[in-house]
Amino acid sequence: KQEVTQIPAALSVPEGENLVLNCSFTDSAIYNLQWFRQDPGKGLTSLLLIQSSQREQTSGRLNASLDKSSGRSTLYIAASQPGDSATYLCAVAFSGTYKYIFGTGTRLKVLA
Amino acid sequence: NAGVTQTPKFRILKIGQSMTLQCTQDMNHNYMYWYRQDPGMGLKLIYYSVGAGITDKGEVPNGYNVSRSTTEDFPLRLELAAPSQTSVYFCASSYLTGVSSPLHFGNGTRLTVT
Repeated sequence: KQEVTQIPAALSVPEGENLVLNCSFTDSAIYNLQWFRQDPGKGLTSLLLIQSSQREQTSGRLNASLDKSSGRSTLYIAASQPGDSATYLCAVAFSGTYKYIFGTGTRLKVLA
Repeated sequence: NAGVTQTPKFRILKIGQSMTLQCTQDMNHNYMYWYRQDPGMGLKLIYYSVGAGITDKGEVPNGYNVSRSTTEDFPLRLELAAPSQTSVYFCASSYLTGVSSPLHFGNGTRLTVT
C-alpha cells in the first residue's frame, strides 16, 4: 500500500532555530513530491515541488531534499520565525496512478 | 487567472440529504482531485480524474460520486449525507505530463451534516 508518513506530529522551537521536518513514503517509484503549508482554518499553500529526477529545491529560507532510494524527503527551515508557525504537509505523486497521497502533517510552533 | 474555484464555501445538510460540491479550474490541468480533511488530520483522497471522461477511486470513496465531462469541471456528489461526512472538502488540480506543475488547491468547502 502506498503510504506517506510525517514525523514528528508536532514541534515547538524557539525563534531563530534551524529545523528539519521529515516525510517518508513506502514506494520509491514516485513522480514528484510536494511540500505545503496550512494555516489554521485555511487552505493549502504550495511551498516546494521536487521532481523525481531532482535531489533538492530551495526557496528563500526553505530547502527540500529528496532521496527516493530510502523513501525520504526533508524540509529544512533556516532561522525560524514566529510567522512560520503552521502545519506542514508533504504529498507524494506515485508513478503509474499519479495519485497525490498526503502525510498527516507536522504542526510547527515557533516561539518568540 | 482564478485558479481552482470551489462552491459553496459553507453548507449545512440534514442526514439523508444530497448535494453537489462544485469545482472548476481555468489552468487547463489534466489531473483533478477531491480530498477531505477531518479536524487535526491530513488530507484523504476521495476521487481523482486523469482527464475528461476518466475518473478513479481514491482512499475513501464510499458515499461519494464524481464525473468529469469537461477538462475544467469536476463536481463531487454526496448522496444520502451522513454525520461521518462532516469535513472540509478540497478540490485540487495539476498538470502531470512531462515536467509536472505544482498541485493547486481551491479554498475548500466546510460541510456539516446534522
